[in-house]
Amino acid sequence: KAGVTQTPRYLIKTRGQQVTLSCSPISGHRSVSWYQQTPGQGLQFLFEYFSETQRNKGNFPGRFSGRQFSNSRSEMNVSTLELGDSALYLCASSLAGALTSYNEQFFGPGTRLTVL
Amino acid sequence: AQSVTQLGSHVSVSEGALVLLRCNYSSSVPPYLFWYVQYPNQGLQLLLKYTSAATLVKGINGFEAEFKKSETSFHLTKPSAHMSDAAEYFCAVTGGGGNKLTFGTGTQLKVEL
Repeated sequence: KAGVTQTPRYLIKTRGQQVTLSCSPISGHRSVSWYQQTPGQGLQFLFEYFSETQRNKGNFPGRFSGRQFSNSRSEMNVSTLELGDSALYLCASSLAGALTSYNEQFFGPGTRLTVL
Repeated sequence: AQSVTQLGSHVSVSEGALVLLRCNYSSSVPPYLFWYVQYPNQGLQLLLKYTSAATLVKGINGFEAEFKKSETSFHLTKPSAHMSDAAEYFCAVTGGGGNKLTFGTGTQLKVEL
């Protein structure tokens, strides 16, 4: 079974631009979560999508947004890029589950975004 | 709200020595606790998880962790370190449901000959 795939793996943008990152979950997984990893702030939860609906959100500005398609693939978008958005963006997928249970998450290799 | 604290951002051990990585948690609800490992330029791999079953949890690659409620700890151990264990290790917690993981700041493990 193929794992979580993220594209592109590396990306270089300049301040003010916008960027879209893609995540394809493991087949059959319906939940996709996004995390930002930086040396200063560590690993931080961005948001989770389940059945095309955002069901949990971290503490990030509105410039960070996401969506999920009917095939469970997800994209996240960052508008008006800032230098501080340089980070490794990780996507994780898991099986469907109620909000009262935990479902093991499987992480992709990440997209390394550099903002110049 | 949940949080985890990892003591020691860098730990160095000799090959064959005991590995002990420390994690303390804070949670207002019964927590689910995890240890992940990250190798350079890779994503996170789950080592083991505690989900309120057995307090001693065995994971992959010879790692294990013990959930101690009285100490609010979930330390990761391995009896004998191998060079391939050199990586960054993250403790994480979730509680109250859902898939939102809150991570610790990570511990970089160095294994020396």
